[in-house]
Amino acid sequence: EVVMTQSPATLSVSPGERATLSCRASQTISTNLAWYQQKPGQAPRLLLYDASTRTSGFPARFSGTGSGTDFTLTISSLQSEDFAVYYCQQYNYWPRTFGQGTTVEIK
Amino acid sequence: EGQLLESGGGLVQPGGSLRLSCAASGFTFTSYAMNWVRQAPGKGLEWVALSTGSGDRTILADSVKDRFSVSRDNSKNMVYLQMSNLRADDTAIYYCAKCILPSTDAFDIWGQGTTVTVSS
Repeated sequence: EVVMTQSPATLSVSPGERATLSCRASQTISTNLAWYQQKPGQAPRLLLYDASTRTSGFPARFSGTGSGTDFTLTISSLQSEDFAVYYCQQYNYWPRTFGQGTTVEIK
Repeated sequence: EGQLLESGGGLVQPGGSLRLSCAASGFTFTSYAMNWVRQAPGKGLEWVALSTGSGDRTILADSVKDRFSVSRDNSKNMVYLQMSNLRADDTAIYYCAKCILPSTDAFDIWGQGTTVTVSS
């Protein structure tokens, strides 16, 4: 199966600062990658798909880049509501697989 | 805006069975593949199963494929996860999730989850 590796495991950022999260696939997955945001006690929410297409409900400070094996989620200026766990997921191969998550916490 | 509502979770003994249900509303159910994704306590997300829109094809993760099955009733806008021979490591919140597009298995609508605890 395709192993998705996210780094770092935890990112400590001050409000207003930029956050850069990485996701690496063990095989090339084109741009068949999604990012999710999950807050405590809540279901995940789809943030981006096809590596860079943002869903409605998320502002433009969230952006995604990458193709092949290396992907990045950037939050340009962190707001209080952005502190959460972020997961990447590939949908190029079966089984669909998720990364282990990156926790974005307040510095 | 679509909505998903899971039910059927609970406490079950190892080796037991459980059927989870997911009721869908607010979108054309037959147009979308539906999935089950689980999350063990304090852990990350694990995709478990998919049923295509017509229900003619199902795919399951290797960790469950000899024990779980997924089905749907398009007349009722329902999807089900039948779980048997449950083990302690099946303990998790089970989410029902909809694919965003017919050919894109990113999950845009999630239910609130139903908790399955496997313990004696």
